[in-house]
Amino acid sequence: AQTVTQSQPEMSVQEAETVTLSCTYDTSESDYYLFWYKQPPSRQMILVIRQEAYKQQNATENRFSVNFQKAAKSFSLKISDSQLGDAAMYFCAYRSPYFGNEKLTFGTGTRLTIIP
Amino acid sequence: NAGVTQTPKFQVLKTGQSMTLQCAQDMNHNSMYWYRQDPGMGLRLIYYSASEGTTDKGEVPNGYNVSRLNKREFSLRLESAAPSQTSVYFCASASSYGYTFGSGTRLTVV
Repeated sequence: AQTVTQSQPEMSVQEAETVTLSCTYDTSESDYYLFWYKQPPSRQMILVIRQEAYKQQNATENRFSVNFQKAAKSFSLKISDSQLGDAAMYFCAYRSPYFGNEKLTFGTGTRLTIIP
Repeated sequence: NAGVTQTPKFQVLKTGQSMTLQCAQDMNHNSMYWYRQDPGMGLRLIYYSASEGTTDKGEVPNGYNVSRLNKREFSLRLESAAPSQTSVYFCASASSYGYTFGSGTRLTVV
């Protein structure tokens, strides 16, 4: 079974600064997907970024980028130029690649606070 | 708007009462999921349905039952609610590309 670990229950960053959220995972599969989800106080789960394991290039979405280290099974999220709207819970998640098995395994989350 | 609709958004139950959480998607996805979210534990899979007519247990199925009524609808039933089932429940549907989540149901069992 796959496991996902987020070792930082809480993080804080000054507005406009950069912050990195950590995620490690354990799997015996060679191909898979990794995700970062944002959950603001509204409770909605919002996809931030997605990474396919067979792609060596790190995914980027505007101010959000990942550092994907497949051998180390590490998948960190970097948020540049932090904004007040980035304050939320962030969840790292793993998914197997097989059709009909799109179950997500989540980490326990990191609560990000933005300091004005 | 296309998406996943969950009802109700909030519910308070007494211990021993039963209820059904409803979920419907119009994404034409084959697979659907029920997760629960508890503080410090992330989201954990309760049950899922890979396709219409099939259901399987997830990580924390005890105390729950599900029904995949058709391709669109996937309901979660608590037959005899317990305080340990106080949680936020999310329904989701998925394609090979990604997930679409409902807005969640906050359930309190007193």
